[in-house]
Amino acid sequence: GENVEQHPSTLSVQEGDSAVIKCTYSDSASNYFPWYKQELGKRPQLIIDIRSNVGEKKDQRIAVTLNKTAKHFSLHITETQPEDSAVYFCAASSGGTSYGKLTFGQGTILTVHP
Amino acid sequence: GAGVSQTPSNKVTEKGKYVELRCDPISGHTALYWYRQSLGQGPEFLIYFQGTGAADDSGLPNDRFFAVRPEGSVSTLKIQRTERGDSAVYLCASSLRRDQPQHFGDGTRLSIL
Repeated sequence: GENVEQHPSTLSVQEGDSAVIKCTYSDSASNYFPWYKQELGKRPQLIIDIRSNVGEKKDQRIAVTLNKTAKHFSLHITETQPEDSAVYFCAASSGGTSYGKLTFGQGTILTVHP
Repeated sequence: GAGVSQTPSNKVTEKGKYVELRCDPISGHTALYWYRQSLGQGPEFLIYFQGTGAADDSGLPNDRFFAVRPEGSVSTLKIQRTERGDSAVYLCASSLRRDQPQHFGDGTRLSIL
């Protein structure tokens, strides 16, 4: 089955800096890659997603890039703010009978210092 | 509109007991998913429903776990003979269709004493 590796496990930045979180996946059939933000004790919230027919997608300060050949995708947050502090999870969804089933990475704890 | 609703928010029970966890998806969402999240980990897939049928139950850890969605809306996750290792946050998500983004509920925090 699919395996998703996420790095780094913790990331500490100063307010205004950029943050980058990277994920690799194992199943070349995976075609959908969402990113979720989870604050302590809260539900995972979808912040951005990308499909395999697109190489990059941006939404204000957040962008995601996908390299299908290398089987990795990354989350980029620019001009970080203290409220960006949370745990971020990447995920991948395969096609076929597993379509819709998300396999998550281990998470990255992002801390933005004022 | 209302998001995914899960009840109870917290459940504490003794080892060996039976528990039911409920999920109300977003209205009109045909796909419903159950995940389990242990402390410090990402959610792990349990089961996926398309309408009333379980399209993929490959993540259920053993036959003590069972889920239903009899009318294609509300779903119940049932755990028999609970064990301490079942303690986790059980998350439910729904999507308009299986190829659409999944939206999560707040989860049920299950503690087995």
